Amino acid sequence: GQQLNQSPQSMFIQEGENVSMNCTSSSIFNTWLWYKQDPGEGPVLLIALYKAGELTSNGRLTAQFGITRKDSFLNISASIPSDVGIYFCAGQRGAGSYQLTFGKGTKLSVIP
Amino acid sequence: GAGVSQTPSNKVTEKGKYVELRCDPISGHTALYWYRQSLGQGPEFLIYFQGTGAADDSGLPNDRFFAVRPEGSVSTLKIQRTERGDSAVYLCASSRTGGSGQPQHFGDGTRLSIL
Repeated sequence: GQQLNQSPQSMFIQEGENVSMNCTSSSIFNTWLWYKQDPGEGPVLLIALYKAGELTSNGRLTAQFGITRKDSFLNISASIPSDVGIYFCAGQRGAGSYQLTFGKGTKLSVIP
Repeated sequence: GAGVSQTPSNKVTEKGKYVELRCDPISGHTALYWYRQSLGQGPEFLIYFQGTGAADDSGLPNDRFFAVRPEGSVSTLKIQRTERGDSAVYLCASSRTGGSGQPQHFGDGTRLSIL
């Protein structure tokens, strides 16, 4: 099935560094969401974005909904060891289509 | 509990057998979704329930897969004549209502292994 284009696929960073990852699509989504998944667990919602151009923060996390509605990015500032995990973007078309379409994930490793 | 609950957490069975996976959504959530996640991939949509009815089953891969939600709360995903390719983590999510602007909250999934 279709998946969003998420990059980078993996990242190794030093503790304290900032992180940026993004997600693109060839088609429009009306809602963008970012999830984090730890091994053996389900995805946990980090940030939800509902309007094109919207910039939303949740603690050290900031995400933006691209103005074309075809992309989104997630930034993590001052990374800490517990930020380790896989980050997924997901898009929802709306207007009768409420399923989420996911990217393949960005695997983040933080070196203490 | 406060979150989405899925049972069993792990299921190992032989090819050709029938399996049932259960999802108990967050209390009061009317919308329920099933996804399947293969290793190294993001979750892929299977089916969406609004109340008791399947509003969108376009993600079910074939007629061996079926899901029900008879009372609008707990849902069961049923797989007949299992194949090795069915091995994956099956995730369930719920949202307060269906529709845009309603974030989906996931359970921890059932890891299904077909031998």
